[in-house]
Amino acid sequence: QKEVEQDPGPLSVPEGAIVSLNCTYSNSAFQYFMWYRQYSRKGPELLMYTYSSGNKEDGRFTAQVDKSSKYISLFIRDSQPSDSATYLCAMIDNYGQNFVFGPGTRLSVLP
Amino acid sequence: KAGVTQTPRYLIKTRGQQVTLSCSPISGHRSVSWYQQTPGQGLQFLFEYFSETQRNKGNFPGRFSGRQFSNSRSEMNVSTLELGDSALYLCASGGEPLPNNEQFFGPGTRLTVL
Repeated sequence: QKEVEQDPGPLSVPEGAIVSLNCTYSNSAFQYFMWYRQYSRKGPELLMYTYSSGNKEDGRFTAQVDKSSKYISLFIRDSQPSDSATYLCAMIDNYGQNFVFGPGTRLSVLP
Repeated sequence: KAGVTQTPRYLIKTRGQQVTLSCSPISGHRSVSWYQQTPGQGLQFLFEYFSETQRNKGNFPGRFSGRQFSNSRSEMNVSTLELGDSALYLCASGGEPLPNNEQFFGPGTRLTVL
C-alpha cells in the first residue's frame, strides 16, 4: 500500500460544478497537509496549506482534513475551465523528514 | 517579487555523464527543496537545504547530491546518469524550513538522458 493514495481520475465536470478531490494516507505522523495545482509544463502551485483537522476556506477552494480517518479533501465550488489542471495532495511530518505527494488527479472543467 | 527560477530549463545528457542544475529562490527565502517528477513515480522529495545545511533527505541514491550557497541559491548534481533519471526536476523555496513553510515551486528543469 502506498503511503498516500489519491483518486486517479481523470475527472471531467461541466463548468459551474462542485468538484471533490480526495486523498487517503496511512502514516499517522503526517501533520501538515497541502494541495497543489499543476498546469501542463509548469511547476506545482500551492493552493492550500493546513495543519489541523477541520476546514479551511480560500475563495472557491475549501480544504478539509480528518486526521482520525486519515482523509483529506479539496472542494472547488463554481468550477471554471481555468481550473483544468492536475491536483496533487501532499503531506509532511512534524520534523520535515517524510514529505510525500499523492500521484495527482487530472481535472477537466468543460465549458 | 520575482519567483523561483531554475536553469537550464531543458537538458539532454547521455548515460554515465553528470549534470548540475541550478535554482534561485525567491528573495529572502532560505529554504530550498528539490524534487523529481516522473510519470511513473509522480513527485518525489529529494532533499531540502536551509541556511546552507541539508536538513532532510528523501529516499534517493548518493548519486543525487546538492548544496546551497550563502545567497540561498542551490545546485543539485546527479552523477553517473542513468536512463531512469530522465525527469522534470523541480525546486521550491520557502521562508522557513520544512514543514513550517509554504513552498513556491519553480518551472523545473526537464532532463532527458539518452
